[in-house]
Amino acid sequence: QVQLLQSGAELKKPGASVKVSCKAFGYTFTSYSMHWVRQAPGQGLEWMGMINPSGGTTTFAQKFQGRVAMARDTSTNTVYMDLYSLRSEDTAVYYCARVSLSGYIPGDYWGQGTLVTVYS
Amino acid sequence: EIVLTQSPGTLSLSPGERATLSCWASQSLTSNYLAWYQQTPGQAPRLLIYGASTRATGIPDRFSGSGSGTDFTLTISRLEPGDFAVYYCQQYGSSPLTFGGGTKVEIK
Repeated sequence: QVQLLQSGAELKKPGASVKVSCKAFGYTFTSYSMHWVRQAPGQGLEWMGMINPSGGTTTFAQKFQGRVAMARDTSTNTVYMDLYSLRSEDTAVYYCARVSLSGYIPGDYWGQGTLVTVYS
Repeated sequence: EIVLTQSPGTLSLSPGERATLSCWASQSLTSNYLAWYQQTPGQAPRLLIYGASTRATGIPDRFSGSGSGTDFTLTISRLEPGDFAVYYCQQYGSSPLTFGGGTKVEIK
């Protein structure tokens, strides 16, 4: 069945970078885009951006432009999200979610979430 | 950027009661690309409704979505214990995709 499996929790210092992975199972990897959404402790959901695994094209929220990168590896059905120059406000749970390429059906499957803690 | 405003912030109801949640958009949504998610503590969001009114796979029919343009509603006809959670609306027709601030449905 469809499953998105994310990498484990991370503890980082301010100014460092973090890479979170999301491995897809149970569907054709290149038939769905992958979006990243984060949630700070006790807060709401925030969309960061997306990658089309078919061609590797990306779109980012302006807030994260220049500080985020997304990539995919079609040989392992895995997408990666890198966030650079971490600050305490980046402490959050980071989720990947698949979205139909047509864009009509949004996040029908989500990863379990990866907690990234930025502390000094 | 399209801003979504959800109301109320908290809804206190009893099991069996009807819940009505609202979501307003700052501008008309493309093709009514409005989704509703349910989130329980420690869990990822779960897609309930997309296209403003289409139930996602496996979602019981006590959940229904309606609305168009800028005004949208999620209705839960009879609350069950597992329905007490936080609900978010999301517009996904215009980049950046945005979420509302959420409505918490709590047990009265």
